[in-house]
Amino acid sequence: QVHLVESGGGVVQPGRSLRLSCAASGFMFSDYGMHWVRRAPGKGLEWVALIWYDGHNEYYADSVRGRFTISRDNSQNTLYLQINSLRAEDSATYYCATDGYGSGSYWPRFWGQGTVVTVSS
Amino acid sequence: DIVMTQSPDSLAVSLGERATIDCKSSHSVFYSSNNKNYLAWFQQKPGQPPKLLFYWASTRESGVPDRFSGSGSGTDFTLTITNLQAEDVAIYYCHQYYTTPHTFGQGTKLEIK
Repeated sequence: QVHLVESGGGVVQPGRSLRLSCAASGFMFSDYGMHWVRRAPGKGLEWVALIWYDGHNEYYADSVRGRFTISRDNSQNTLYLQINSLRAEDSATYYCATDGYGSGSYWPRFWGQGTVVTVSS
Repeated sequence: DIVMTQSPDSLAVSLGERATIDCKSSHSVFYSSNNKNYLAWFQQKPGQPPKLLFYWASTRESGVPDRFSGSGSGTDFTLTITNLQAEDVAIYYCHQYYTTPHTFGQGTKLEIK
């Protein structure tokens, strides 16, 4: 049973940084690419980033490239999203998800419940 | 970037009737080397994470009722729900994974008439 639990969200001032985590269990984490997807209040889903199973390839949405960094620790079965220079438009529920086809760069398949980030002064 | 455009933005359908949601991509998401369309569909209900319905445009995820079907190729895709049930009320999204950055459609809100 795949289980993904995001954490690290909260209320943060503009310009500050935050690191989100996603603890994975129930599957061979090191065999799968992983995604971050967000949904801002009143908006639709936005794909944010993905990382390959081995951490050697990372890809980002244009809106976050240069400010967000996706990473993973396969020894700890944990995915991360480092968010720097937070902006009001980064306020959203952030979901982690497994890749649907294995190593990475396919569809998000299993999703966590999400963690809420609110950027406000 | 590939832009995904869904239509309509919202629709209301009577219980037991058919709902149809279209998705158009700004670039073909068909990969000829493996004859696959890199297109997925998701359902999101209030307070829940998205749920995968289809991948490769028409491959149904395990556990998804066969009232749901996905079709299309290239740049034009359709999600069809027949015999609409109350539990189908949700926002539906198409998603391309043909190239990075991956992108979602803006979503279609489905309600009961």
